[in-house]
Amino acid sequence: QSALTQPPSVSGSPGQSVTISCTGTSGDVGSYNRVSWYQQPPGTAPKLMIYEVSNRPSGVPDRFSGSKSGNTASLTISGLQAEDEADYYCSSYTTSSTHVFGTGTKVTVL
Amino acid sequence: EVQLVESGGGLVQPGGSLRLSCAASGFTFSSYSMNWVRQAPGKGLEWVSYISSSSNTIYYADSVKGRFTISRDNAKNSLYLQMNSLRDEDTAVYYCARDVVVTATIDYWGQGTLVTVSS
Repeated sequence: QSALTQPPSVSGSPGQSVTISCTGTSGDVGSYNRVSWYQQPPGTAPKLMIYEVSNRPSGVPDRFSGSKSGNTASLTISGLQAEDEADYYCSSYTTSSTHVFGTGTKVTVL
Repeated sequence: EVQLVESGGGLVQPGGSLRLSCAASGFTFSSYSMNWVRQAPGKGLEWVSYISSSSNTIYYADSVKGRFTISRDNAKNSLYLQMNSLRDEDTAVYYCARDVVVTATIDYWGQGTLVTVSS
């Protein structure tokens, strides 16, 4: 199972919006609405931010939103804040009943 | 509060073995599937293995199949990963992570334990 493809980095100024793409195949992202997004600040464990493409767990700000079209999912952070600076990973359930993660994207707040 | 605490990491020579443990608390462990996910230094996340709540269903990544064995003891609220024939490329932080089967979501993660394979 190959990793999902994400851009290595994105950046934005405080208050701006950034969008991270996550491209898979018909064997993962394209087959299920089972895409999750995780935030990982340096030296910490990943934290769930979005599940089932667009659902936010309790406590996650509504600045974080998710969507999907075909084999590509996206995470948008609106009203970017300094505390959003971290690595972000997407994940998808697969037709092999396993999980696959994205390559990761570093978000920098300018 | 959900807590997952990994232990058992350390330095091991290539070809050696190591057993990781994960102690779970704050939820009904026997009702949840579990995963191991690893992250090599400076690299991304890699799913390693999955075990269902009753241990009936187990999956492995191709990179560890035949070398790693996942298991659990619901009476002890514990998850394990037996790692044999370790290679340099197995060097990583290993995370224990809870799985919500209904949504196919990994929702909670432990803090991780570092495994270093080196001579």
